[in-house]
Amino acid sequence: DIQMTQSPSTLSASVGDRVTLTCRASQNISTWLAWYQQKPGKAPNLLIYKASTLENGVPSRFSGSGSGTEFTLTIGSLQPEDFATYYCQQYNSYWTFGLGTKVEMK
Amino acid sequence: EVHLVESGGDLLQPGGSLRLSCAASGFTFSNYAMTWVRQAPGKGLEWVSTISASGISIFYADSVKGRFTISRDNSKNTLYLQMNTLRAEDTALYYCATVGPPLGAFDIWGQGTMVTVSS
Repeated sequence: DIQMTQSPSTLSASVGDRVTLTCRASQNISTWLAWYQQKPGKAPNLLIYKASTLENGVPSRFSGSGSGTEFTLTIGSLQPEDFATYYCQQYNSYWTFGLGTKVEMK
Repeated sequence: EVHLVESGGDLLQPGGSLRLSCAASGFTFSNYAMTWVRQAPGKGLEWVSTISASGISIFYADSVKGRFTISRDNSKNTLYLQMNTLRAEDTALYYCATVGPPLGAFDIWGQGTMVTVSS
């Protein structure tokens, strides 16, 4: 089974900050990786798929990069509505989520 | 507008059974693979099961294999999850979602239905 490790588990940041979240796969998953945003009490929302492709309607301040086993999600300038938990997910072999990174207000 | 509405969640005792439903609208249901994902209270997301658009290919997480059965009725635009021999650790909010091609990321999510297993 492929394991996904996200770091940090919690990130404290301020509005306007550039924020980078990391996701590592336990084996090579090429670019079969997605990122989701989840706000409290809401369903997850797909942000990025195939490691770097922005889903329709997602603001351009979000970007993804990486391949193989190392991936990053970057928020170019953090906005108030971006405080949330972010999950990565591999879909190279079945589907596995990471444990999430909570982006909280500093 | 694409819409997924889960139903069927309940409070039940360990060992019990339950069937969840996910009603789809606003898209051609029969063209999309579908999936179930669960989230235990205060925890992260866990993939449960996926079914291809035709229903021929089915996949399960090890944690539910042999106990849960995913199915779909394309004539009714509905996805199902039959859950048997339920355990306390199955307690979670269960989401259904569409699966992007070919069997990729989860595009559109419902709002979830809560299953609580407790004696």
